Amino acid sequence: NAGVTQTPKFQVLKTGQSMTLQCAQDMNHNSMYWYRQDPGMGLRLIYYSASEGTTDKGEVPNGYNVSRLNKREFSLRLESAAPSQTSVYFCASSGGRSQPQHFGDGTRLSIL
Amino acid sequence: QKEVEQNSGPLSVPEGAIASLNCTYSDRGSQSFFWYRQYSGKSPELIMSIYSNGDKEDGRFTAQLNKASQYVSLLIRDSQPSDSATYLCAVNINQGGKLIFGQGTELSVKP
Repeated sequence: NAGVTQTPKFQVLKTGQSMTLQCAQDMNHNSMYWYRQDPGMGLRLIYYSASEGTTDKGEVPNGYNVSRLNKREFSLRLESAAPSQTSVYFCASSGGRSQPQHFGDGTRLSIL
Repeated sequence: QKEVEQNSGPLSVPEGAIASLNCTYSDRGSQSFFWYRQYSGKSPELIMSIYSNGDKEDGRFTAQLNKASQYVSLLIRDSQPSDSATYLCAVNINQGGKLIFGQGTELSVKP
């Protein structure tokens, strides 16, 4: 009963490096989301995918790209990491428009 | 005006007391409302969903919704030290299932 699985759990990058955060859900949910959480800023939506084949920008999309690989998987890519992207990243999924979101355990990312 | 507002706290209550957490929202068209609990260093965990005006009870938790006043609250009865966490209010804004989260209220239950 995995729910939403995120990899990796921790990562340290140097400025300018790239990396992809992976997210997979096994709940047959249509919608998936990427958030970042910073102290004092709450949860902020980066990108979301309302259904397979679609992606849309959220509140803070700059510096990120996403891919909805299939119904289960939604990845987040940092092309050229910056210290301002140091954060905790959460992936979430939901079954539909009025349904709650279920979160993965998060990825703690530090960029030096 | 923030779309979803919560008192940041910290809210401190003694063990066994009722903790009352409040949330207001700005979008009158919102239809779905959720409360999440987040322990330090962990991910948000869904504890209550409410869709209709009135009260919804689940164990020690009661969610209350008043759409006319654009207000949703969470009551925790018989508070326990294990309830100490940050509580996030989330409101659906009906755009692809997006949720808007409040900043969270930190609750501390003292033994």
